Amino acid sequence: TQLLEQSPQFLSIQEGENLTVYCNSSSVFSSLQWYRQEPGEGPVLLVTVVTGGEVKKLKRLTFQFGDARKDSSLHITAAQPGDTGLYLCARGGNQFYFGTGTSLTVIP
Amino acid sequence: DAGVIQSPRHEVTEMGQEVTLRCKPISGHNSLFWYRQTMMRGLELLIYFNNNVPIDDSGMPEDRFSAKMPNASFSTLKIQPSEPRDSAVYFCASREWGGTDTQYFGPGTRLTVL
Repeated sequence: TQLLEQSPQFLSIQEGENLTVYCNSSSVFSSLQWYRQEPGEGPVLLVTVVTGGEVKKLKRLTFQFGDARKDSSLHITAAQPGDTGLYLCARGGNQFYFGTGTSLTVIP
Repeated sequence: DAGVIQSPRHEVTEMGQEVTLRCKPISGHNSLFWYRQTMMRGLELLIYFNNNVPIDDSGMPEDRFSAKMPNASFSTLKIQPSEPRDSAVYFCASREWGGTDTQYFGPGTRLTVL
């Protein structure tokens, strides 16, 4: 059973464009995490959100946790080729369940 | 700090052979996770340990899969016998239980079963 649905599945954009990817579930989370995975490597944690409505910024990346703590979004401003990778959301807590992922390609 | 270490990085084997994947977690971390990643199913949790004790192995696909953690610095994931559908990238991750919830992933083992 997929607990976390991410969209879009694939995204290819030009350098300098903005984009938003989504993570949705029918369940309420105590916390939600976003990871980025580059080819040939393991996922690396970007951020953890805990409070409904919370917004966190990491340079050009903005993460938002839905008010009901069932969904989250990741917005990237002025994308760069270094942002290319697989973006995964994950449910935190005692166990970790990962979303289906969004594969982002930023074309120079 | 060395990070999570996995070996081998790549493994190619024939159907029916035994495969053993190895993981050394970050020193001081007392939780260890094994994941499998494929294009079709994404990143799936197979099993996790707290203080060397298996807590939940409900993600282990079949009896052909087994995992052990004999001490705090070493874990193995074994597949016997291996099948082509086991081909995937297997990740090990560790974290400090009761800490920040941050998992640190190893580089993965890419397994190909012919």
